[in-house]
Amino acid sequence: DQQVKQNSPSLSVQEGRISILNCDYTNSMFDYFLWYKKYPAEGPTFLISISSIKDKNEDGRFTVFLNKSAKHLSLHIVPSQPGDSAVYFCAASALTSYGGSQGNLIFGKGTKLSVKP
Amino acid sequence: DAGVTQSPTHLIKTRGQQVTLRCSPKSGHDTVSWYQQALGQGPQFIFQYYEEEERQRGNFPDRFSGHQFPNYSSELNVNALLLGDSALYLCASSLTPTGFFTGELFFGEGSRLTVL
Repeated sequence: DQQVKQNSPSLSVQEGRISILNCDYTNSMFDYFLWYKKYPAEGPTFLISISSIKDKNEDGRFTVFLNKSAKHLSLHIVPSQPGDSAVYFCAASALTSYGGSQGNLIFGKGTKLSVKP
Repeated sequence: DAGVTQSPTHLIKTRGQQVTLRCSPKSGHDTVSWYQQALGQGPQFIFQYYEEEERQRGNFPDRFSGHQFPNYSSELNVNALLLGDSALYLCASSLTPTGFFTGELFFGEGSRLTVL
């Protein structure tokens, strides 16, 4: 049973518009959430993260929103650029008693984003 | 500053054989994690090494084993290969300071294993 779900395998957006990628999780023990981006023939690269004590985290064009009650998070990219075309993975982790992540990330299957010029 | 490097990049094995994959972490990183990414799936956690010991393990059989060396580099060994072991194997490194691990991992490009 998948604990982290990305139900949209693909998303196509026009350049300059907003891209919204969604992620749902089932494990209430998850406290820390991350988004990774992956280009073909490269390893995933860290994009942005959010702790469960927050509901929003922003970094430039990227914003992650967390709705704990709905066990849902989303990644907003504004404005979208052709270089953003990649596969985006949502990942989750449970925090330990000392506040740090356990280190073993649970990934979703990914959403392939295509940004058209 | 070299990032995470993995070798080999591609390899083909037959069922029943054994394979060893290698990883050098990003400079300054002391923790290495291994993930398996099957086609169309997200990466799945295999295990994590810190201070030359396996610190955590995912839901993988004992055929999957690893090692971390004093220079923090790591190996992943898979014995008695099955067709289902065909996947991209990703190595990720991180720095585990005392207390808080943010979960941010630095991944290598992966080793693509094909089992025939």
